[in-house]
Amino acid sequence: GDSVTQMEGPVTLSEEAFLTINCTYTATGYPSLFWYVQYPGEGLQLLLKATKADDKGSNKGFEATYRKETTSFHLEKGSVQVSDSAVYFCALGVTGGFKTIFGAGTRLFVKA
Amino acid sequence: EAGVVQSPRYKIIEKKQPVAFWCNPISGHNTLYWYRQNLGQGPELLIRYENEEAVDDSQLPKDRFSAERLKGVDSTLKIQPAELGDSAVYLCASHPTGSEQFFGPGTRLTVL
Repeated sequence: GDSVTQMEGPVTLSEEAFLTINCTYTATGYPSLFWYVQYPGEGLQLLLKATKADDKGSNKGFEATYRKETTSFHLEKGSVQVSDSAVYFCALGVTGGFKTIFGAGTRLFVKA
Repeated sequence: EAGVVQSPRYKIIEKKQPVAFWCNPISGHNTLYWYRQNLGQGPELLIRYENEEAVDDSQLPKDRFSAERLKGVDSTLKIQPAELGDSAVYLCASHPTGSEQFFGPGTRLTVL
C-alpha cells in the first residue's frame, strides 16, 4: 500500500546550520508530495508541495524536489533559525488529493 | 479569513465516559476530515466527508466512534465509551476541491 518513511528525530542543529530531513515514499500512480510543519500547540500547516516528478517546492527558505527515480522528497534549508524548531511531516496525496498519508514526523530543535 | 476551529482544545476524562469534539471548517470548504494523531506519529484518517456525506469511514472504529456533519458545515466526532488507548490528538481538516488541506489546532484527549 501507499506509505511514507521519513528519518527519525529528533534532529538538533545550531542556528545557521544546513538542514536535511529525508523522506521516501511508496505509491501507485502519480501522487502529490507535501511537507507540513507543526509548531508547538498548533495544527499542521502546509510548508511546500510538488505535484509531479522533478517539481521543486519551496517556501520560507525550505525546498524539496520530487524525485520519481529515487521515490524521494527530501526537505532542505540552507540556514536554519531557532524559529524553525517544530515537527516536520512528509506526506503524499492520492485519489486526486482527497487522501493524504503522513509520515511519522521528524522533530527539529535549533539551538541559538 | 478564519481558519479551522476546533473545541475543546483539551479534554481529560475517565475511561468508559463519553466525549465529543466539535469542528467548524473554513467557509466554503466542502471536504472535511477527522484524523487521530498518536504521540510521536503522523495523523491517521478516521473519516472524510464530502458535504454531509461520509465518503470514507473505513478507518473509523464504529463500535465506539461516531461522527456527523449535519447541513454539510460543522462536524462532531464522538467516542462512547472512551478507552485508555483513545488518548491522542484529534485533528480536523478541510479543503476546497483540488487544494491542500487546512488543519485546525486539534483537541488533545487524555483518558484516565
